[in-house]
Amino acid sequence: EPEVTQTPSHQVTQMGQEVILRCVPISNHLYFYWYRQILGQKVEFLVSFYNNEISEKSEIFDDQFSVERPDGSNFTLKIRSTKLEDSAMYFCASSEDQVGNQPQHFGDGTRLSIL
Amino acid sequence: AQSVAQPEDQVNVAEGNPLTVKCTYSVSGNPYLFWYVQYPNRGLQFLLKYITGDNLVKGSYGFEAEFNKSQTSFHLKKPSALVSDSALYFCAVRDIRAGYSTLTFGKGTMLLVSP
Repeated sequence: EPEVTQTPSHQVTQMGQEVILRCVPISNHLYFYWYRQILGQKVEFLVSFYNNEISEKSEIFDDQFSVERPDGSNFTLKIRSTKLEDSAMYFCASSEDQVGNQPQHFGDGTRLSIL
Repeated sequence: AQSVAQPEDQVNVAEGNPLTVKCTYSVSGNPYLFWYVQYPNRGLQFLLKYITGDNLVKGSYGFEAEFNKSQTSFHLKKPSALVSDSALYFCAVRDIRAGYSTLTFGKGTMLLVSP
């Protein structure tokens, strides 16, 4: 069964540094998402992406965050200047449709640790 | 805004016994409801969904969920629990933002199945 893959599995970064989290969505999916899960808390929506542009973003997704689909397969999340509170698990997801009839498929996540 | 509530932080059940993980929702319009499971250090795996139709929805690994509109509930059930079912379970509701579908998650319920 096709999967969403994320790299790296764990990223340790100094506060203030830039970090890029990478995702390869399922190949025939057109809608892409980033979520995050701070340790012990619920999964929170960050951003959705379709047709090479952001379709929606949450209050968490401020100017420090950006997303990009640099080629036909990768989908990246960049945090420009990391803060301690950015430490979390970041999950990429993709889906076939945007109305919710088809489920979102999640990757295994990248654990981001900010020192 | 859409929301889901999972009133139990943890559910304990003995192997072979039936299990129920509770979820209630608050939505405007027709609800699109989902259950996901998260094993340690893994991403979210889709279990089942309710969009329309029969109130009893069957999903992966023998799980099912019952949609109850009058009680605004979508409880996850399994007739006979396995130790391997021990994991973190998330209920989610479709949230439409600017016409695009995202997921709003509950805080999660840890299911512990004892041998």
